[in-house]
Amino acid sequence: DVKVTQSSRYLVKRTGEKVFLECVQDMDHENMFWYRQDPGLGLRLIYFSYDVKMKEKGDIPEGYSVSREKKERFSLILESASTNQTSMYLCASSLSGALTDTQYFGPGTRLTVL
Amino acid sequence: DQQVKQNSPSLSVQEGRISILNCDYTNSMFDYFLWYKKYPAEGPTFLISISSIKDKNEDGRFTVFLNKSAKHLSLHIVPSQPGDSAVYFCAASARGGGSNYKLTFGKGTLLTVNP
Repeated sequence: DVKVTQSSRYLVKRTGEKVFLECVQDMDHENMFWYRQDPGLGLRLIYFSYDVKMKEKGDIPEGYSVSREKKERFSLILESASTNQTSMYLCASSLSGALTDTQYFGPGTRLTVL
Repeated sequence: DQQVKQNSPSLSVQEGRISILNCDYTNSMFDYFLWYKKYPAEGPTFLISISSIKDKNEDGRFTVFLNKSAKHLSLHIVPSQPGDSAVYFCAASARGGGSNYKLTFGKGTLLTVNP
């Protein structure tokens, strides 16, 4: 079974803090993704990576950056957290970037920015 | 502009009856469509998918129908069970970076199956 783990289930940070969200997958997947889920807005793609050190902007990259130094790990960075970044953050991975690839999701990190 | 639309935020059905969840899309470049199910405090899990060259795919109690000319797909659950109560996301696949594909998700529909 594919396992995608996220470093924290719940996180509370203050405005202006630098925040790191970590994601690890154990199935040697090439692609990894970061989404945020908000009520009434569904899942929106922030960034994705199809190889180590490679990244692509998703639909809402503003205010975020990412890092993929190792194949199994994909980090989402909030350089200066703001209250509008309070959200559920979901990491996912897929075997490759093929059309029919299934994305496997982690359990999510609920981030609150005060 | 929302490319994948789920216009019903919620749906309530009786146990044993059929649940029909609908999804519309606007981008004709979408090649592949998926449904994910999400329970509270868990990540979404893949449920069923359909290629744009097909009009139906069935897996047990779950069937997805695709009407490409109408840019519409639907998920049928028969018979519905209380354990099916969850948020269902429709997603569509199109090219993202290079030769890689990425998913665009709808807003989700909360299905409640009443015993």
